[in-house]
Amino acid sequence: EVQLVQSGAEVKKPGESLKISCKGSGYSFTSFCIGWVRQMPGKGLEWMGIIYPSDSGIKYSPSFQDQVTMSVDKSVSTAYLQWSSLKASDTAMYYCARLTGYDYVEYWGRGTLVTVSP
Amino acid sequence: SYELTQPPSVSVSPGQTARITCSGDALPKQYAHWYQQKPGQAPVVVIYKDSERPSGIPERFSGSSSGTTVTLTISGVQAEDEADYHCQSVDSSGTWIFGGGTKMTVL
Repeated sequence: EVQLVQSGAEVKKPGESLKISCKGSGYSFTSFCIGWVRQMPGKGLEWMGIIYPSDSGIKYSPSFQDQVTMSVDKSVSTAYLQWSSLKASDTAMYYCARLTGYDYVEYWGRGTLVTVSP
Repeated sequence: SYELTQPPSVSVSPGQTARITCSGDALPKQYAHWYQQKPGQAPVVVIYKDSERPSGIPERFSGSSSGTTVTLTISGVQAEDEADYHCQSVDSSGTWIFGGGTKMTVL
């Protein structure tokens, strides 16, 4: 069974750093791209970018370029999303997703809720 | 920048047919996909490649495409179909994009 297990909810203060994770199992981790999606409270879905586990290639959505860093550790089948200095506006649910070759999401993680508050 | 435009909300009575549209200039050249998202849950794909239905998705969900508009149709709407629906595609530079989402209310 394909699973994407995301790390738990986080509460941080503005200016702090954060790294959240997404561990894939039940499939060949390097064979499928992983995407990250933001959903701010009460809002729609926003693509943040895609990482290719096979070669760690990354394509950021223009809106998130220079705002976050995506990475992957193939040895533990895990993708990461990190911030160097959080802002209150980063408060959101963050989903990781396994993509297909036809540019859609076949599997989603359950999401990691990030709350940034003074 | 490229956008996918959806109506913010639709309302439908049980048993009726709901149609949710998604418009974008690149849609004649790119596939669109639809996700259902219920409160507190991750999205689930209900239609991919404009009109393909994944296994496990009820037959009442269907998709179609015409020019710059794709449509998600839910026939014989049930109370359990009340959810947010998001369309998704890819722009000409290969950047993925979502529509703004449509909240479907079952009256």
